[in-house]
Amino acid sequence: GAVVSQHPSWVICKSGTSVKIECRSLDFQATTMFWYRQFPKQSLMLMATSNEGSKATYEQGVEKDKFLINHASLTLSTLTVTSAHPEDSSFYICSAGGTGTGQPQHFGDGTRLSIL
Amino acid sequence: DAKTTQPPSMDCAEGRAANLPCNHSTISGNEYVYWYRQIHSQGPQYIIHGLKNNETNEMASLIITEDRKSSTLILPHATLRDTAVYYCIVRVQGSARQLTFGSGTQLTVLP
Repeated sequence: GAVVSQHPSWVICKSGTSVKIECRSLDFQATTMFWYRQFPKQSLMLMATSNEGSKATYEQGVEKDKFLINHASLTLSTLTVTSAHPEDSSFYICSAGGTGTGQPQHFGDGTRLSIL
Repeated sequence: DAKTTQPPSMDCAEGRAANLPCNHSTISGNEYVYWYRQIHSQGPQYIIHGLKNNETNEMASLIITEDRKSSTLILPHATLRDTAVYYCIVRVQGSARQLTFGSGTQLTVLP
């Protein structure tokens, strides 16, 4: 079964709306989670690293004020796309795990965000 | 993390073995080879990983060359549901770092 749960799986909303995406580790604690973005026919690109109890680390070119990350507990990280615009439409995927010996990193099923 | 090179696409007949190659000539001694796949509109799914010995699980087998500069993922009896993009990633196990995805191989299983 899934070890990383992501919600919602699909969001359609108007331009200017803020959208929150949740990522949960289901049967393990994750001090670090990762947020990726994937545009059509492209590979996954890391957006930011979410750290429990501290600020997220953003990749170059990713606006931290637009993509707010909160990792308030060891099993939950949230990504909020603030004032979303059509160019933010993408497939957002989170991952967790893989920091222990023998444990691979697991991914959520992704969130398809469509901004009208 | 070491860079990997994979063919952009491959076809395989249903029921046949699918052999997906990956080159990682700059791999370091403490880096593992991981394989993931991504079915359309889903998150990546972990398949298998290994350091230097060949590995097998319920999904696939991983063959790593003796010099560790290349590996092959084998799906023994491909089905239509195995159609996906397959990613070969090299990474230090236990690292708190993210996975770096290349372009992967689009495997199409044909009926």
